[in-house]
Amino acid sequence: SQQGEEDPQALSIQEGENATMNCSYKTSINNLQWYRQNSGRGLVHLILIRSNEREKHSGRLRVTLDTSKKSSSLLITASRAADTASYFCATVPSGAQKLVFGQGTRLTINP
Amino acid sequence: EPEVTQTPSHQVTQMGQEVILRCVPISNHLYFYWYRQILGQKVEFLVSFYNNEISEKSEIFDDQFSVERPDGSNFTLKIRSTKLEDSAMYFCASGGTLMNTEAFFGQGTRLTVV
Repeated sequence: SQQGEEDPQALSIQEGENATMNCSYKTSINNLQWYRQNSGRGLVHLILIRSNEREKHSGRLRVTLDTSKKSSSLLITASRAADTASYFCATVPSGAQKLVFGQGTRLTINP
Repeated sequence: EPEVTQTPSHQVTQMGQEVILRCVPISNHLYFYWYRQILGQKVEFLVSFYNNEISEKSEIFDDQFSVERPDGSNFTLKIRSTKLEDSAMYFCASGGTLMNTEAFFGQGTRLTVV
């Protein structure tokens, strides 16, 4: 798989349930970031986790990072219909000055 | 709240024509980027720009592409001779005063080459 691959590719859940998305990457990283994209619009930064951090919280978001497995997960708790969007993980490879995006997970929250 | 603005929102151009995509980054940011997203595909890095020069570029960013920060506020991407495969959404992003922190993206310019 390529740098920053998410799974599942699509996830559909009921409002109020938790949504978990996973991301795997291949190279060493400076940090890993999660972004959200509503259909046809720009990317919105959600959360950044540095390579020396293991877990981070922001509101209803919880991100974990396991550098030994080169993987991260994004948990959205108590999902809302407005959370419907595509979610992308993006890594900043060590020594690089760019974001490398995965294919994304399309999340649908059913009311 | 400060935001990155991009113009135009949609540009249609004929194959072989030159296009300039414009971006106004957040005013105190020092790091600037262009990315593109072909419909239905992942977001791809094109180029990063810091201190008035390119700091990194991808293999996509060939001689047909150039970037400029002409007046201290605008940040432009020029495609000299557009191809059909250049059709994509182009996103400008700016980062703060430290390298490799969060990036703030504009709403994108949808480029359609016909």
